[in-house]
Amino acid sequence: GAGVSQTPSNKVTEKGKYVELRCDPISGHTALYWYRQSLGQGPEFLIYFQGTGAADDSGLPNDRFFAVRPEGSVSTLKIQRTERGDSAVYLCASSLEPNNEQFFGPGTRLTVL
Amino acid sequence: AQSVTQPDIHITVSEGASLELRCNYSYGATPYLFWYVQSPGQGLQLLLKYFSGDTLVQGIKGFEAEFKRSQSSFNLRKPSVHWSDAAEYFCAVGSSNDYKLSFGAGTTVTVRA
Repeated sequence: GAGVSQTPSNKVTEKGKYVELRCDPISGHTALYWYRQSLGQGPEFLIYFQGTGAADDSGLPNDRFFAVRPEGSVSTLKIQRTERGDSAVYLCASSLEPNNEQFFGPGTRLTVL
Repeated sequence: AQSVTQPDIHITVSEGASLELRCNYSYGATPYLFWYVQSPGQGLQLLLKYFSGDTLVQGIKGFEAEFKRSQSSFNLRKPSVHWSDAAEYFCAVGSSNDYKLSFGAGTTVTVRA
């Protein structure tokens, strides 16, 4: 079956702009996670959804970052007033249930000029 | 708070030689431990995981890892490396109480002919 997909694969934007990154989890997976991977680092947790609700958003760096999952499937990570420090690969993962194996998408590489 | 240390940033190994990647974790409760591999431009692929039971875990692509509670380690091994094993390897820790994963900074493996 299809794995986790993320669009776009690459996004280049200018400082101060708004961006949206999309994640399509594996069908039937109730748990969805966003991570951010900076160059030379491991992924860092941003936010976790169980169903439609954000069960834990403690990893979001500030209030410019927001994520939604309105129908319990596709999720969108939204970044307002982008800064150069937001440049990273944003990874999405899903799992059948919480604490199960997480399946990762290929990521969206965000570059803020 | 949980954390993961991968002491080796970069390892070079000859094709056909054995490989061992080190991982040390810090976590108060019983950890769930994972090894992921990331090839350039690819998402994270799970190699193996440890939740409980036998401390020697077999994974895909001929990899294995051993959980040693006394040393807080979960080292990854492969007896004979193939050129296709060149990639970045990440160790991660989670738990039954904590759905989010904490990753190490990764170890880059180069395979020479």
